[in-house]
Amino acid sequence: EDQVTQSPEALRLQEGESSSLNCSYTVSGLRGLFWYRQDPGKGPEFLFTLYSAGEEKEKERLKATLTKKESFLHITAPKPEDSATYLCAVQAGNAGNMLTFGGGTRLMVKP
Amino acid sequence: NAGVTQTPKFQVLKTGQSMTLQCAQDMNHNSMYWYRQDPGMGLRLIYYSASEGTTDKGEVPNGYNVSRLNKREFSLRLESAAPSQTSVYFCASKLQGATDTQYFGPGTRLTVL
Repeated sequence: EDQVTQSPEALRLQEGESSSLNCSYTVSGLRGLFWYRQDPGKGPEFLFTLYSAGEEKEKERLKATLTKKESFLHITAPKPEDSATYLCAVQAGNAGNMLTFGGGTRLMVKP
Repeated sequence: NAGVTQTPKFQVLKTGQSMTLQCAQDMNHNSMYWYRQDPGMGLRLIYYSASEGTTDKGEVPNGYNVSRLNKREFSLRLESAAPSQTSVYFCASKLQGATDTQYFGPGTRLTVL
């Protein structure tokens, strides 16, 4: 069974304090790993897709990396507007069209 | 482009009542999905439609039915609502390929009393 675990469940940072969110996965043949951002009361918003170990993608203060067992979302010098829940999902080779989501990490950045 | 739209935004039902959640996308996507999101449970797939004319069960299909009305629209029906179906429901769509990105709608917050 495909599994995705995100840690920590919640993270409080001061503005400018860099940190990383973790997404560990167990799947049969990873086809893709997706990161989403979700603001309260809204739908998930797509951030990145990673396809193979060693791949990295960046967008503003966010950088996503991928290994064979986990992905990290690095946040450099975060701002209060980066506060949100970050979701990780995997597309497994034997899962057809279905994504498996982790429980998310709720990030709070204080000014 | 509006992307993925959902109606209604909020709904309160009594146990046993029925309702249909509507979803539409204007991105010419082939695949559409219904998820529910509960605290501590993450997003769980209810049903999906890989292409027009097909529907398949996801992880938690019991108590729900779906209809892929046409390429743009995918509806979710609760025939006899139960308190356990209190949740936030999200519709998503993607082009078709396994690694294509799923794009989500704004959600419907449903409370069943």
